[in-house]
Amino acid sequence: EEELAESGGGLVQPGGSLRLSCAGSGFTFSNFWMTWVRQVPGKGLEWVANIKQDESKKNYLDSVKGRFTISRDNAKNSLYLQMNSLRAEDTAVYYCARDQSPSITVADTKSWFDAFDLWGQGTLVTVSS
Amino acid sequence: AIQMTQSPSSLSASVGDRVTITCRASQGIRNELSWYQQKPGKAPKLLMYAASTLQDGVPLRFSGSGSGTDFTLTISSLQPEDFATYYCLHDNNYPRTFGQGTRVEIK
Repeated sequence: EEELAESGGGLVQPGGSLRLSCAGSGFTFSNFWMTWVRQVPGKGLEWVANIKQDESKKNYLDSVKGRFTISRDNAKNSLYLQMNSLRAEDTAVYYCARDQSPSITVADTKSWFDAFDLWGQGTLVTVSS
Repeated sequence: AIQMTQSPSSLSASVGDRVTITCRASQGIRNELSWYQQKPGKAPKLLMYAASTLQDGVPLRFSGSGSGTDFTLTISSLQPEDFATYYCLHDNNYPRTFGQGTRVEIK
């Protein structure tokens, strides 16, 4: 069975650091872009960052640039989010998600799309003094 | 960043109703849009990508349409398991942004 499992959440003081992990199983982890999405409890979803299969491309939400770093270890089937200089507004449930990156060809033009088809259960990060 | 605006924010409907949710992008995004369903306490579930391509295993009562700035998700006959919150997400450029969500409640 294909699964993603996050860990590493918890309570941290403002200005502190935390490292989230996401372990993949049941599929070839190295074949997929991976993404972090967060959700303040009771609120909407927010895309945070993503990373290409070979780590050659990484993209971030503006509000986390310079503070968060996404990385992966394909040998360990794992995705990470290093979060530094944490703020109260970073408090959220953090989900990792697999991007199946489907492609569609129309008139000899191939296009790729985001499609987050597998999600973890989420890990809660609380930033508070 | 591209802003995604969903409407309505919430709706009440009965089993068997036809339900339509709209997502509008602040600029053209071609067909680079996906839809997700989320139930309380659970992770989101992919319904649709490329605006109108149904994800494997998703019931045919779900359909999507649109291109450019205006998109719709339609549930042709609402079932009890469809009561949830629905989100659109663009993948035209970075950062990706979600709509604020549409909560579908039981009337």
